[in-house]
Formats: sequence, C-alpha cells, structure tokens
Amino acid sequence: QKEVEQNSGPLSVPEGAIASLNCTYSDRGSQSFFWYRQYSGKSPELIMFIYSNGDKEDGRFTAQLNKASQYVSLLIRDSQPSDSATYLCAVDNYGQNFVFGPGTRLSVLP
Amino acid sequence: EPEVTQTPSHQVTQMGQEVILRCVPISNHLYFYWYRQILGQKVEFLVSFYNNEISEKSEIFDDQFSVERPDGSNFTLKIRSTKLEDSAMYFCASRPGTSGTDTQYFGPGTRLTVL
Repeated sequence: QKEVEQNSGPLSVPEGAIASLNCTYSDRGSQSFFWYRQYSGKSPELIMFIYSNGDKEDGRFTAQLNKASQYVSLLIRDSQPSDSATYLCAVDNYGQNFVFGPGTRLSVLP
Repeated sequence: EPEVTQTPSHQVTQMGQEVILRCVPISNHLYFYWYRQILGQKVEFLVSFYNNEISEKSEIFDDQFSVERPDGSNFTLKIRSTKLEDSAMYFCASRPGTSGTDTQYFGPGTRLTVL
C-alpha cells in the first residue's frame, strides 16, 4: 500500500511570511510529484510538479525534492490570505493514478 | 483554456437508487480518472480509463461501480445501488499522457448525497 504523509495542520503563518509544507512518500521508486491547492468545497487545482532532485521555482512557489529522503516540500513566499487553503501532495503511481496525501491546511493571517 | 466539466454539481438520491455522474474530459487527453473525497478525508482513487477500457481500479471500485465512455466526449461513473457511505465529492480528472510531466486536471466535482 503506497502511502503519502503530510502534517494535517492547521499551519498558521502571518501575511508576508514564508509557508513551508512537507510531504513524505513510501515508494522509493516514485518519480513525479505534484502539489495541488484545494479550497473548501472545491476541486484540487494544480500548483506545480517536480521530478528532479533539487528546487523548482514558479513565481512565489518553490517545490523541493529529495528522493534519497523520500521527501517533497512546497514553499510559499510572501504568503497572502488568499493562499489559505488545503495543500495536497500527490505522487504519480507509475502512470496508473495519483496517490494523494491527506493535505495540510494553511491559514494565512492578515 | 480547456477544462474538465462535470454534471450535475450536486446529486441527492435515496439509498438503493442508481446514479450516473457525468464528465467531459479535456478533448485531446487520453487518460481519464474518477476519484472520490469523503468530507474531511483525502482524495481517493477509484478507477482509470484508457483506450475505452479500465486500466486500473482500486479496492473501492467494486461491482456496484461501472464506467463508460458512451461517445467521443462523455465519461460516466455509474453507481448501481447507492449506499449511505457513497456520500462524497466525486471528481473526474483527465491527463494527456502518463509521462512524469503530464498533469491530471480535475473537474469541479459532483457532490453526491445519499439519504
């Protein structure tokens, strides 16, 4: 059973701060990792994906991948109240489907 | 920008009734998925569909569930005899391919309430 773990939160950060969201996965063979944002009652919305070790930046978002430690993270710089949502880590299961973590609820305080 | 659409947005049904949830995937995508999310829980995979057949299904996807692509655009999920525990958000997703950079794009979901 492939597992994806995330701290459920809530993670509270002040507006303008950096939010750091973490994810670990159980299958060492996993190759591609996706971060989604989900507002309450809405569907997952893609933020970014990463498949190479290291950092990948897209605007205020940076994904970090360490395959040796089976660890993926998402940094959100200059956090805004509109970033308040649940952040889902998803692992590509060899092209068959995505395995989702339980999500981390982020609250950005004005 | 192309998007996945789903209908209805909310379906209320009585236990034991059949429901059909509909999805229109993004037109040039080849892989289609159904996921569900029970309130307060994580997104769970149900089934994937490629080349007009099921390619993978989870333990949740038992004989009560079926999927179909009746024409070139629609992708449906049927639940034959609904149970109270089927109450959840059902998301359809599509993906252009299965390379590591191919993303799954989600529809807005159908909220299913079984009474």
